[in-house]
Amino acid sequence: GAGVSQSPSNKVTEKGKDVELRCDPISGHTALYWYRQSLGQGLEFLIYFQGNSAPDKSGLPSDRFSAERTGGSVSTLTIQRTQQEDSAVYLCASSRIASGGADTQYFGPGTRLTVL
Amino acid sequence: AQSVTQLDSHVSVSEGTPVLLRCNYSSSYSPSLFWYVQHPNKGLQLLLKYTSAATLVKGINGFEAEFKKSETSFHLTKPSAHMSDAAEYFCVVTPLNFNKFYFGSGTKLNVKP
Repeated sequence: GAGVSQSPSNKVTEKGKDVELRCDPISGHTALYWYRQSLGQGLEFLIYFQGNSAPDKSGLPSDRFSAERTGGSVSTLTIQRTQQEDSAVYLCASSRIASGGADTQYFGPGTRLTVL
Repeated sequence: AQSVTQLDSHVSVSEGTPVLLRCNYSSSYSPSLFWYVQHPNKGLQLLLKYTSAATLVKGINGFEAEFKKSETSFHLTKPSAHMSDAAEYFCVVTPLNFNKFYFGSGTKLNVKP
């Protein structure tokens, strides 16, 4: 079946512009996560959606970052007034929620964002 | 509090020799533990996971990991390294009944011919 897809695969933008990154999770997965992976770094948690519950935004680095998930499926991560330090690979993952808690995360290929 | 420590940022082995990638965790609750692999310019792929069943977990490509509660460790091993194993490996913990994942900082594995 189809995996997690993300678009665009690459995005180059100028400092100060807004960008939108899209994630299509695996069908039927109720949990969706956004992470950021800067060059040479591990994964930094950004935000988590689970069903209709309020998202866990505890990882968003500033109020320039926001995300929404429409209809419990597709998610968009928006970065306003981009800065050079926002340059990174943005990864999306989805998972089922098993009775005992989180199930395996399946990752998309990522969007490489470059802010000039 | 939950956290993951990968003790080595880089590991270098010769092809055909054993691989050991170390991971220690702290968790206030019974954890689920995962190892993911990321090949250059590729996405993250699940290698194996532990979810409170057998403590020795076998994964893909000949990798396995052992959950040791007394040592709070979940080290990844492989008896014989292959050139294709060169990649970055991430240890991940999530407390049971919670839905947030905590990633280690990663270990880059280099395999020499």
